[in-house]
Amino acid sequence: AQSVAQPEDQVNVAEGNPLTVKCTYSVSGNPYLFWYVQYPNRGLQFLLKYITGDNLVKGSYGFEAEFNKSQTSFHLKKPSALVSDSALYFCAVRDSGNTPLVFGKGTRLSVIA
Amino acid sequence: DAGVIQSPRHEVTEMGQEVTLRCKPISGHDYLFWYRQTMMRGLELLIYFNNNVPIDDSGMPEDRFSAKMPNASFSTLKIQPSEPRDSAVYFCASRGRSYEQYFGPGTRLTVT
Repeated sequence: AQSVAQPEDQVNVAEGNPLTVKCTYSVSGNPYLFWYVQYPNRGLQFLLKYITGDNLVKGSYGFEAEFNKSQTSFHLKKPSALVSDSALYFCAVRDSGNTPLVFGKGTRLSVIA
Repeated sequence: DAGVIQSPRHEVTEMGQEVTLRCKPISGHDYLFWYRQTMMRGLELLIYFNNNVPIDDSGMPEDRFSAKMPNASFSTLKIQPSEPRDSAVYFCASRGRSYEQYFGPGTRLTVT
């Protein structure tokens, strides 16, 4: 069975500092990995994905994520945080079959001015 | 493209009433997913369809919940009778040939 763990419920970072939101996964076979962001009273918005290829993937709004197969991790990063990045972030995984995404519980990011 | 469309955006109903949530997926997408989000349980997959056919409904909480997809552009999630513990945000998502799922804005259901 597929699963995702986001070990931090909340991450606080000062504006302008780098941010990291952690994610580890478990899946049979090759993983398809995703990050989504949810702003208050909105649906989930797709940020980026890793399917194959370069372990560092770049996405929307300056976010990037690094796939680490040995550590089964897919941490979300941004070099310089903005107050407007404050939101709920979800990591998700599925296998290479046509299965639905399995989501983590989410990490609330708070960027302080 | 308008994205995934859900209606209503908000629904307040009394316990015992029937509730119907509606979803229009992105045109050309052949997968449709219904999720429920609560503070306690996070994001739960309820059911998903492929080419209008239900594939896995193991996430549907109980027989009070049912979902249909009569055609490629419309799906409903029905709760009958509704209970206060059904209060949540219900999301519809669709997926096409790309790997990611696209979510609608959600329906916030409150059952009193």
